[in-house]
Order: sequence, then structure tokens, then C-alpha cells
Amino acid sequence: GAVVSQHPSRVICKSGTSVKIECRSLDFQATTMFWYRQFPKKSLMLMATSNEGSKATYEQGVEKDKFLINHASLTLSTLTVTSAHPEDSSFYICSAPRPGEAEAFFGQGTRLTVV
Amino acid sequence: KQEVTQIPAALSVPEGENLVLNCSFTDSAIYNLQWFRQDPGKGLTSLLLIQSSQREQTSGRLNASLDKSSGRSTLYIAASQPGDSATYLCAVPNTGNQFYFGTGTSLTVIP
Repeated sequence: GAVVSQHPSRVICKSGTSVKIECRSLDFQATTMFWYRQFPKKSLMLMATSNEGSKATYEQGVEKDKFLINHASLTLSTLTVTSAHPEDSSFYICSAPRPGEAEAFFGQGTRLTVV
Repeated sequence: KQEVTQIPAALSVPEGENLVLNCSFTDSAIYNLQWFRQDPGKGLTSLLLIQSSQREQTSGRLNASLDKSSGRSTLYIAASQPGDSATYLCAVPNTGNQFYFGTGTSLTVIP
């Protein structure tokens, strides 16, 4: 079964509103989680690294004030898209490495549509 | 910075054919390479993981090879089936478990 759960799987919101996406590690503690974004017909690109108990680190070109990341516990990271615009419409997916394992575990992804 | 490229971008084959998907990466100092499957609008399904010390891994009809020195990996799918239709992604992690993904190959297997 899934070891990383992401919610919601699909969300439609109005321009200007904020949307929160959750990523949970189900049977292990994850001090680090990763958020990726995928534009249509493009590959996944790393947006930011979520660090439990400290600030997230963002990749170049990703606005930290727009994509708020909170990693308040060892099993939960949240990505909040603030003041969403239609160009934020995309597929967002999280990943969490399980300690001691090389295999990557990904959430189911969230399809965000901003209208 | 690691760059990962996949060829071809799209592939259409009749059912039953064997096929090869290609992945290349620019920095050969990798720890492992992973192949994923992504169905439309869905998340990622891990298919195979090859450690940097390995040359290949097999799972059912799938076989992945790795040539670290030349920066290449291939995913071989035997006796393709319509259910294999999906996008296939290769990815390599850095030391911090951040993944660099390839551009993907969209596979269509025609019944």
C-alpha cells in the first residue's frame, strides 16, 4: 500500500484564493519531504525541500511567499498556494524518503486548477 | 546540475512488441537510478531501482540496465500490452534525495 499519502487529489479554486495540499508519511517519520511541480507535457521539477522544524529551502525561481511550506510534524508537510492565479494550475506531487531506503516514495499528486 | 533526458518523447507500438526506452544523464556520479510509471493525471509508480554498483535489474517483463560511465540507462519492456500504456520517467537522486527527472516517454501500446 501507499506509504506517502497526498490530499486532495484534485482541487478547483477561484483566482485569488489559497489552497492547501497535505503530504503525509504513513508508517515512518520523515524529517525531509520534497515538493515537485509538473506542467502539462513537461517533467517534474523540484520546487522546494521541506524540513521538519525549520524553514523550507526553495529552488531558484520558486516564490517562497507564494508557495508556503510548513513541516510542523515528522509525518506531515503542507504546501499552500497563496493568492492562486490560473498560471498556478499544475500537478503538484510530494515525496518522502524513508530512512535507510534508496527507493523514493511519492504521494498520489494533486491536480490544481485555478479558474 | 544534473540533467536527465529521455528518448523518444513518444512511442507507439502494436501489442506484443518488445521495446526500449532510453534515459541519459549528464553527471555520472549517481547513487542510483529509478524508473517510474505515470498514468494520466496520476502519481508515480516505482518500477525499478538500480543501484550505482549494479548493471541491471529485472521485474517481470521489465528490465532496466545502467551504464554509469556513459551516463545511460535503458528500460526494456518485453511483450508489450495495452495496459503498459503510460508515461515512463527515469530519475536520479542527489545526495539529499532530491530527484532530477527525465522528460518522460509517452508509450501507447495499440491492441
